[in-house]
Amino acid sequence: KAGVTQTPRYLIKTRGQQVTLSCSPISGHRSVSWYQQTPGQGLQFLFEYFSETQRNKGNFPGRFSGRQFSNSRSEMNVSTLELGDSALYLCASSLTDRLSTDTQYFGPGTRLTVL
Amino acid sequence: KQEVTQIPAALSVPEGENLVLNCSFTDSAIYNLQWFRQDPGKGLTSLLLIQSSQREQTSGRLNASLDKSSGRSTLYIAASQPGDSATYLCAVGYNFGNEKLTFGTGTRLTIIP
Repeated sequence: KAGVTQTPRYLIKTRGQQVTLSCSPISGHRSVSWYQQTPGQGLQFLFEYFSETQRNKGNFPGRFSGRQFSNSRSEMNVSTLELGDSALYLCASSLTDRLSTDTQYFGPGTRLTVL
Repeated sequence: KQEVTQIPAALSVPEGENLVLNCSFTDSAIYNLQWFRQDPGKGLTSLLLIQSSQREQTSGRLNASLDKSSGRSTLYIAASQPGDSATYLCAVGYNFGNEKLTFGTGTRLTIIP
């Protein structure tokens, strides 16, 4: 069974630009979560989607947005990039939205560098 | 707000030794606790998931315990190998706030051959 895939793996942008990252969950998984990982802040939760609906959202500005399609694939978008947005963006999928029992499976991440 | 702490931030041990990694959390009303490993520049691999009703989980040389009342979890690695070198993160799933998982900052483990 294929794992979680993320594209692109690496991305370089300049301040003020926007970027779209893509995540394909494990086949059959309906929940997709996004995380930002930086050396200073560690792993921080961005948002979670289940069946095309945003279920949870972390404490990030409105420049960070996402969506989920009917095939459970998800995209996240960051507009008006800032230097501080440079990070590893990780996507995770799980079978359901049952927090008590589901294991999160992570993709390899997209490394975003903002110049 | 749930806070998850992992101490120490880095640990080096000789190959073959048994070792324990620590994770503490501030709010005991959790759903589960997961241990992950992360290799440099890569995503996270789930190692063990302990549900709130469980005390421990085992997988091969790994054993994770959970003590909700004291807000602590440990990951025990037996007979360490160089391939165990990685950053280990614990993550707590809980039902307050709007976050699904809160991660600790991790322990970077180096096994010395």
